[in-house]
Amino acid sequence: SQTIHQWPATLVQPVGSPLSLECTVEGTSNPNLYWYRQAAGRGLQLLFYSVGIGQISSEVPQNLSASRPQDRQFILSSKKLLLSDSGFYLCAWSPLEGHYGYTFGSGTRLTVV
Amino acid sequence: EDQVTQSPEALRLQEGESSSLNCSYTVSGLRGLFWYRQDPGKGPEFLFTLYSAGEEKEKERLKATLTKKESFLHITAPKPEDSATYLCAVQLLTDSWGKFQFGAGTQVVVTP
Repeated sequence: SQTIHQWPATLVQPVGSPLSLECTVEGTSNPNLYWYRQAAGRGLQLLFYSVGIGQISSEVPQNLSASRPQDRQFILSSKKLLLSDSGFYLCAWSPLEGHYGYTFGSGTRLTVV
Repeated sequence: EDQVTQSPEALRLQEGESSSLNCSYTVSGLRGLFWYRQDPGKGPEFLFTLYSAGEEKEKERLKATLTKKESFLHITAPKPEDSATYLCAVQLLTDSWGKFQFGAGTQVVVTP
């Protein structure tokens, strides 16, 4: 069966520090991968999506970047965090362009101080 | 502009008190509508996918329905373990990458 792992679960980082969040999927190949951010009381905002190794598309211009160094690995990064980067970050995967919905990871609570 | 709106924002129910959550959407074309359940501090958990008006799906005390403009999630005789935030999301007909638009969610609290 397919599983998705996301870490760390919580992170407190100072403003201006770098960020690296990692997500891996097991039990499938060539998944579509997604990074979402969820702010309190708001819906999920799509940040990046990837349909293959090295193929990253950004939805929202911002202080973040994403990479997919391996088929089942998706990394969210920042060189210098801003206070506004605080939030709940979720990685998700889907087969077949999302037709059957996503499976989400457990999320990372990021607090920038 | 494509929009997904959920109502109410919050719902407090007594155990056994049935109710419905609404997800209305204004999109140029719908490929699919998805319902998720999210517990505090966790990732959303998939519940249902609906593709066409008139379609219904059921799972335990939950039943999802779809019309051309909205979807309802009916909770029948809820129990405290049904307490969660329920999210709906739409995938546009023009989308081929699996990009969803999410509503802000309805927070449901079921008290004994």
